[in-house]
Amino acid sequence: AQTVTQSQPEMSVQEAETVTLSCTYDTSESDYYLFWYKQPPSRQMILVIRQEAYKQQNATENRFSVNFQKAAKSFSLKISDSQLGDAAMYFCAYRSYPSGGSNYKLTFGKGTLLTVNP
Amino acid sequence: GAGVSQSPSNKVTEKGKDVELRCDPISGHTALYWYRQSLGQGLEFLIYFQGNSAPDKSGLPSDRFSAERTGGSVSTLTIQRTQQEDSAVYLCASSLGHLGGNRVEKLFFGSGTQLSVL
Repeated sequence: AQTVTQSQPEMSVQEAETVTLSCTYDTSESDYYLFWYKQPPSRQMILVIRQEAYKQQNATENRFSVNFQKAAKSFSLKISDSQLGDAAMYFCAYRSYPSGGSNYKLTFGKGTLLTVNP
Repeated sequence: GAGVSQSPSNKVTEKGKDVELRCDPISGHTALYWYRQSLGQGLEFLIYFQGNSAPDKSGLPSDRFSAERTGGSVSTLTIQRTQQEDSAVYLCASSLGHLGGNRVEKLFFGSGTQLSVL
């Protein structure tokens, strides 16, 4: 079974600064997907960014980018120019490569609470 | 509706009582998932529906938990004889459900039901 570990229960950053959230995972699979989700106080999980393991290029979505190190099984999220609205719980998640309609479950880490200071 | 709707938003119940949690997915989404988020934990998979069928119930923690889906739409998660350890946020998500191939669909989450068992 796959496991996802987020070693930073809490992080803080000054507005406009850059912060990096860490995530490591354990798997014996070679093909899979990785995700970062944001959960604001509204509780609704919002997809921030995703990475396909077969792609060497790191995914980027505006101010959000990842550092995907497949050999090290590491998947960190970098938030540039942090904004007050970025304050939330961030979850790293793993999903197996789809095959015949199976492997649809997401395995989540325990999350990192990000505080943005004005 | 425009998004995944869950009701009630919050539920307080007494130990031993039964509760029903409702999820109304996005129209046309055939896949539906229930996850549980306990305090300080990541999301834990409970059950997956494709249409009205539940091919994977492996995450249900005990036989006190059951779920059904009718008309390929609304789903109800029922917890019988609630215990204090059932206190958590119960999140529902839906997706288009086009299984097979290498497509990984985007999940759309609701805002969850906060269940408190006294």
